[in-house]
Amino acid sequence: SQQGEEDPQALSIQEGENATMNCSYKTSINNLQWYRQNSGRGLVHLILIRSNEREKHSGRLRVTLDTSKKSSSLLITASRAADTASYFCATDAHDKIIFGKGTRLHILP
Amino acid sequence: DGGITQSPKYLFRKEGQNVTLSCEQNLNHDAMYWYRQDPGQGLRLIYYSQIVNDFQKGDIAEGYSVSREKKESFPLTVTSAQKNPTAFYLCASSPPLPTVWRYFGPGTRLTVL
Repeated sequence: SQQGEEDPQALSIQEGENATMNCSYKTSINNLQWYRQNSGRGLVHLILIRSNEREKHSGRLRVTLDTSKKSSSLLITASRAADTASYFCATDAHDKIIFGKGTRLHILP
Repeated sequence: DGGITQSPKYLFRKEGQNVTLSCEQNLNHDAMYWYRQDPGQGLRLIYYSQIVNDFQKGDIAEGYSVSREKKESFPLTVTSAQKNPTAFYLCASSPPLPTVWRYFGPGTRLTVL
């Protein structure tokens, strides 16, 4: 069964605004990862947050993890046209990584 | 530059034909993976290999086969037994623990005519 589910499925925002996407999962995890995929390309690892961490930053990315709610959020601040892509969460549990279906983010000029 | 290469980028085949997708990495990673991605879907694991000459089935292995004769190479064969092979195929590798994330290749889009 699908472990991670992203929400929303698609998101369009104006350049310069912040973008927030969420990921919910069902079972306990060791860590949660976020990846970006540009159209027709491979995935690129963005950030990993461990189950004992609550928040992590990397440049314009901020990831939070709430293990009690089994959810994570990815915030991209000051969005740019180059941020247009699909974003996937991947949960790592029992030595298995399972990818969600992704959020398609479109940055409007 | 270290990385993963997949070839070809686009591949067309007729029904009933087997086809092999190439995946090569020069990252010196032991573990390699094959994923399938359908439109609007997440990635589903086909096969993975933790070490040379050893591989395991993933969640959707039926109709696929792999080999791992060299550390650098993990080719995937899509056989005629795969009922719906049209998809985007992604190869990935991962470094030794404690690193747990995946490095992905650029993908091969397979279309069955």
